[in-house]
Amino acid sequence: AQSVSQHNHHVILSEAASLELGCNYSYGGTVNLFWYVQYPGQHLQLLLKYFSGDPLVKGIKGFEAEFIKSKFSFNLRKPSVQWSDTAEYFCAVKTGANNLFFGTGTRLTVIP
Amino acid sequence: EAGVVQSPRYKIIEKKQPVAFWCNPISGHNTLYWYRQNLGQGPELLIRYENEEAVDDSQLPKDRFSAERLKGVDSTLKIQPAELGDSAVYLCASSLDPFDGYTFGSGTRLTVV
Repeated sequence: AQSVSQHNHHVILSEAASLELGCNYSYGGTVNLFWYVQYPGQHLQLLLKYFSGDPLVKGIKGFEAEFIKSKFSFNLRKPSVQWSDTAEYFCAVKTGANNLFFGTGTRLTVIP
Repeated sequence: EAGVVQSPRYKIIEKKQPVAFWCNPISGHNTLYWYRQNLGQGPELLIRYENEEAVDDSQLPKDRFSAERLKGVDSTLKIQPAELGDSAVYLCASSLDPFDGYTFGSGTRLTVV
């Protein structure tokens, strides 16, 4: 069965620190990869997505992610976080069956 | 454009009672999804519709859960009877392009007491 692992449950950073959130998936076929963000009290929003081509994808608000096929990973990065980045971040994988599977999420707290 | 609209936002019911959630997807989005998100977890797919057809309901607990999408637009998810373990946020999402991301609604937070 497909699974998505986010090993960091809660990350606490100071403003201007660099961020990297890990995401690994288990699925042998072609996948599409996503990162979603959920700000406090708001609905899930798409940060970025990967379908094919350049494995380094850029999303909104300065976020980027790198797809490393050999490692089944799609880690999210941001060079300098802001207090407004405090949120829950979800990695998701879409398989050939067109269903989207989510990881358990990583809560990011940015301290001003 | 209007987003995915869900109602109600919150619902508190006693166990064994029925409950229904409503979703209005983005206009033109043929694919509609219902997810359940337990506290501290990621969303889990319950059912996916392509127009009015449920093409994947393998994760839907069919003994108590049912869903419908009449006319391929709005959708309703029902639980009857509800159990304590059904307390969660129920999310609806829609998409136009299978290669695109999904747009999520704000969800319905269900509390079963």
